[in-house]
Amino acid sequence: SQQGEEDPQALSIQEGENATMNCSYKTSINNLQWYRQNSGRGLVHLILIRSNEREKHSGRLRVTLDTSKKSSSLLITASRAADTASYFCATERDTGRRALTFGSGTRLQVQP
Amino acid sequence: DADVTQTPRNRITKTGKRIMLECSQTKGHDRMYWYRQDPGLGLRLIYYSFDVKDINKGEISDGYSVSRQAQAKFSLSLESAIPNQTALYFCATSGGPRAQYFGPGTRLLVL
Repeated sequence: SQQGEEDPQALSIQEGENATMNCSYKTSINNLQWYRQNSGRGLVHLILIRSNEREKHSGRLRVTLDTSKKSSSLLITASRAADTASYFCATERDTGRRALTFGSGTRLQVQP
Repeated sequence: DADVTQTPRNRITKTGKRIMLECSQTKGHDRMYWYRQDPGLGLRLIYYSFDVKDINKGEISDGYSVSRQAQAKFSLSLESAIPNQTALYFCATSGGPRAQYFGPGTRLLVL
């Protein structure tokens, strides 16, 4: 079963607005990562946040992590049409073999 | 040149046929992964390898096998393809517990 679940499944906003996507997971983690996928193409890594971090920024991206609630959020500020893509969270567990488990993704549409 | 390459990019095959998908990387990473993605869904892990002699099953390994021929090459085989293996297949690499780098994907259709 999927470790992470994104919410909402789909999001449509206007250019210039902020987009917020949420991810919930089930087990203890070593880190949580966000990826972007343009239609039918490979995933591109955006940002990684470790379990001992609460917030991280990269350009227009802001990621938060709440390990007590087992949840994370990705905020994209001042969105652009080029941000249109699917966004996935992925978790690396802190026990056993450490392979990533992906959520089902949020499809973001940014209207010009 | 791309860091992670996959061949073929598209493949149509028939039920019962054996096929191989290949992945090569020039990033020098030890870890390599195979995922499948079904329409509207996230990625599910098929197999992963942390070095040439270390191969592990993922959550959906039934019907698949892999071979790590070298640090840079990781192949996925479908022993006897069936229609519900129609999907987009991705190879990925990583240098440790951090970001993964994905290939462009192989679109497989099993008739």
